[in-house]
Amino acid sequence: DVKVTQSSRYLVKRTGEKVFLECVQDMDHENMFWYRQDPGLGLRLIYFSYDVKMKEKGDIPEGYSVSREKKERFSLILESASTNQTSMYLCASSFDYTGELFFGEGSRLTVL
Amino acid sequence: GESVGLHLPTLSVQEGDNSIINCAYSNSASDYFIWYKQESGKGPQFIIDIRSNMDKRQGQRVTVLLNKTVKHLSLQIAATQPGDSAVYFCAENINQFYFGTGTSLTVIP
Repeated sequence: DVKVTQSSRYLVKRTGEKVFLECVQDMDHENMFWYRQDPGLGLRLIYFSYDVKMKEKGDIPEGYSVSREKKERFSLILESASTNQTSMYLCASSFDYTGELFFGEGSRLTVL
Repeated sequence: GESVGLHLPTLSVQEGDNSIINCAYSNSASDYFIWYKQESGKGPQFIIDIRSNMDKRQGQRVTVLLNKTVKHLSLQIAATQPGDSAVYFCAENINQFYFGTGTSLTVIP
């Protein structure tokens, strides 16, 4: 069964802390994505990557960075967490850039 | 950015009835659409997709209808079951995916 695994389901961090969200996929997909999901706003694209060491900004990249050192792993980094980054973060991967997205279970981050 | 919306934020149906969930999209150039189901505390799961060269596609108990004239997408669930209770949202693809905000479906036993 194909799988996208997000390492942390729930995190609580303090304002100013550095936060790492890890995502691993076992489908050998080229493309990986990070979204945040907020009530009433739907999923919004933060960053995506179409190859190792490649990254592209999505619609809301401010306050975030990403790292893709290996094909199967895509990390989202919050350099200095703020309360407005409290959200559900969803990682996804796809074989084709315009093809079906496979999602992880999500990481719910609370910043105090 | 793109706008993908849903007509109703919540929908309640009796077990065994058919459910219809609607979605309006804004870009007539969108060429691929997906319906996702998201249960509480879980990530979105693919239900069914449709490309713009089709107007109907059927899966197991689900049917997606695409009306490009009015830029409308619908998901029909036949014989709705308690396990269908979830948030459903559509996604349209034009260079990237844009997602609707979702309709919360509650199935009444």
